[in-house]
Amino acid sequence: DSGVTQTPKHLITATGQRVTLRCSPRSGDLSVYWYQQSLDQGLQFLIQYYNGEERAKGNILERFSAQQFPDLHSELNLSSLELGDSALYFCASSAGTSGARWEQYFGPGTRLTVT
Amino acid sequence: AQSVTQLDSHVSVSEGTPVLLRCNYSSSYSPSLFWYVQHPNKGLQLLLKYTSAATLVKGINGFEAEFKKSETSFHLTKPSAHMSDAAEYFCVVSDGGFQKLVFGTGTRLLVSP
Repeated sequence: DSGVTQTPKHLITATGQRVTLRCSPRSGDLSVYWYQQSLDQGLQFLIQYYNGEERAKGNILERFSAQQFPDLHSELNLSSLELGDSALYFCASSAGTSGARWEQYFGPGTRLTVT
Repeated sequence: AQSVTQLDSHVSVSEGTPVLLRCNYSSSYSPSLFWYVQHPNKGLQLLLKYTSAATLVKGINGFEAEFKKSETSFHLTKPSAHMSDAAEYFCVVSDGGFQKLVFGTGTRLLVSP
């Protein structure tokens, strides 16, 4: 158990809908990262927040957005969902943000199915 | 831009035999390299990391990897496979900075009795 929790575990929704994925980092970790894992794109970094502020962006679509709240939990919002958004979405957390000194701890993921 | 290439999509070994998972990297900077493991229906777990200290890195569960700059490789090895090692393994590179991780396509390790 990494200490990172994600809810829900599974989500099934229809095209055009909007969903919110939630992540609680390990106690004391200030950084939260979101990743998408799909069969055709593999594992891709989406976005990082550090202590409430956006720190880095990866291959995140404009239909997707995220935020980190004062209690450090994070939410990933996916809107106007398409079939291709079906994937496993991981959240990770780490203590710091600079360099490769800080190990990222991954949650169990949320499996999103868009029908 | 940094990238990693995992040379095998699947590797099959027998229990008790050595494991070799191959990874080549490309990076404009001095890279940080990682191996992560993903067991079925689980999140990713860090096996080991290289951050410009010793070139031979020891990780958890008996795994180790050697950083070879001349060959731009970071292969993962284990002397003796266990059934519990069956999983997907990802080679990952980071250029430091804001710690963006770039994942390889993964190698599925199959271990037969």
